[in-house]
Amino acid sequence: RKEVEQDPGPFNVPEGATVAFNCTYSNSASQSFFWYRQDCRKEPKLLMSVYSSGNEDGRFTAQLNRASQYISLLIRDSKLSDSATYLCVVNGNTGNQFYFGTGTSLTVIP
Amino acid sequence: NAGVTQTPKFQVLKTGQSMTLQCAQDMNHNSMYWYRQDPGMGLRLIYYSASEGTTDKGEVPNGYNVSRLNKREFSLRLESAAPSQTSVYFCASSEIGTGLTVYGYTFGSGTRLTVV
Repeated sequence: RKEVEQDPGPFNVPEGATVAFNCTYSNSASQSFFWYRQDCRKEPKLLMSVYSSGNEDGRFTAQLNRASQYISLLIRDSKLSDSATYLCVVNGNTGNQFYFGTGTSLTVIP
Repeated sequence: NAGVTQTPKFQVLKTGQSMTLQCAQDMNHNSMYWYRQDPGMGLRLIYYSASEGTTDKGEVPNGYNVSRLNKREFSLRLESAAPSQTSVYFCASSEIGTGLTVYGYTFGSGTRLTVV
């Protein structure tokens, strides 16, 4: 079983839509969770950390469900500039080993 | 600008050749990492260095060696390149807080390596 699994998509949504991505992880001892954004042929960039209580940053909301071992990312009022691949990242048994999902591709259509 | 710098950006090698990918960060981070990214596989950790003077294997270390030259620099070496090592390589750095909290990675812009 993979450490982190994501639906690869692609998700094609119209501008202004709300879209949600889920990511499941296998290690119940994981403590650190992140969402990264990766544009085509570019490096991943940190979008937001995911905290136990959930957190929001503008149009983006991240949630953690420890019981079911998944994290989610909600994007409201999608913009064309949100088109990218979104990577879920979870730490392993040591704080230094992080596992990346394969990414979920989002295209926002005019 | 502060960040992670990788060189080279592109490289083509013949099978059996060797090369070293260079990485330097100026954010005073303790931890540095090398990942490879392949289609459908996501990013996979090759080696990491939790602090200056230490290195550890990640998920896919075979065929690679690393050197943490100092706090700023972490290099990745391919001693005898193979076509299976064709990939995009990313270096990253991070800081470890209390309770092993990691404040996210900062990635370099990547090295696109092709082994023919």
